Amino acid sequence: DTGVSQDPRHKITKRGQNVTFRCDPISEHNRLYWYRQTLGQGPEFLTYFQNEAQLEKSRLLSDRFSAERPKGSFSTLEIQRTEQGDSAMYLCASSREGGGETQYFGPGTRLLVL
Amino acid sequence: QQQVKQSPQSLIVQKGGIPIINCAYENTAFDYFPWYQQFPGKGPALLIAIRPDVSEKKEGRFTISFNKSAKQFSLHIMDSQPGDSATYFCAASTTGGNNRLAFGKGNQVVVIP
Repeated sequence: DTGVSQDPRHKITKRGQNVTFRCDPISEHNRLYWYRQTLGQGPEFLTYFQNEAQLEKSRLLSDRFSAERPKGSFSTLEIQRTEQGDSAMYLCASSREGGGETQYFGPGTRLLVL
Repeated sequence: QQQVKQSPQSLIVQKGGIPIINCAYENTAFDYFPWYQQFPGKGPALLIAIRPDVSEKKEGRFTISFNKSAKQFSLHIMDSQPGDSATYFCAASTTGGNNRLAFGKGNQVVVIP
């Protein structure tokens, strides 16, 4: 399967713990996006990479969140000192460079903070 | 604030019916309007997308109608099937920049056999 993959698919953690999610985009895609989706809502933009450069961060991305894409391939999203409000589905999407290019989404990582 | 507003929240139709989902936007800089379909536990998958230079686009049983002056667009699902039961999201982006998508809240469509 050559689609976007995310790991883990599910994560349960206790409040205050740190968690890290991984996203592997489609191989030839140089754009990578992270979104967050809560129950009954549409995905909300968190951050965007073009190759290894993080070019935009939403104000939803507090100081406890950090994302990296060290070699312009896979990306990680870390949440430090998790809070119950961080419980959500974290979605990764990738696309080719260029306006209007389709963003292909991965299956998401569902996070539950107890 | 919600940049893309979607209505109605949920729809139940009989097999063969035509569910219609409407979306409205405010930002006139938006120039790319995709619709995504999402099944439980899965990521959103692109169904069809339109740009404001056309008023209608069809792909298979899915049609987008676009009204630039009203800043509205809608999705029609022709000859709906039970397998179309899913949540549908409209979205919008500005393609000159980073193309980040602003999504509506989603619409749950249930097609009864």
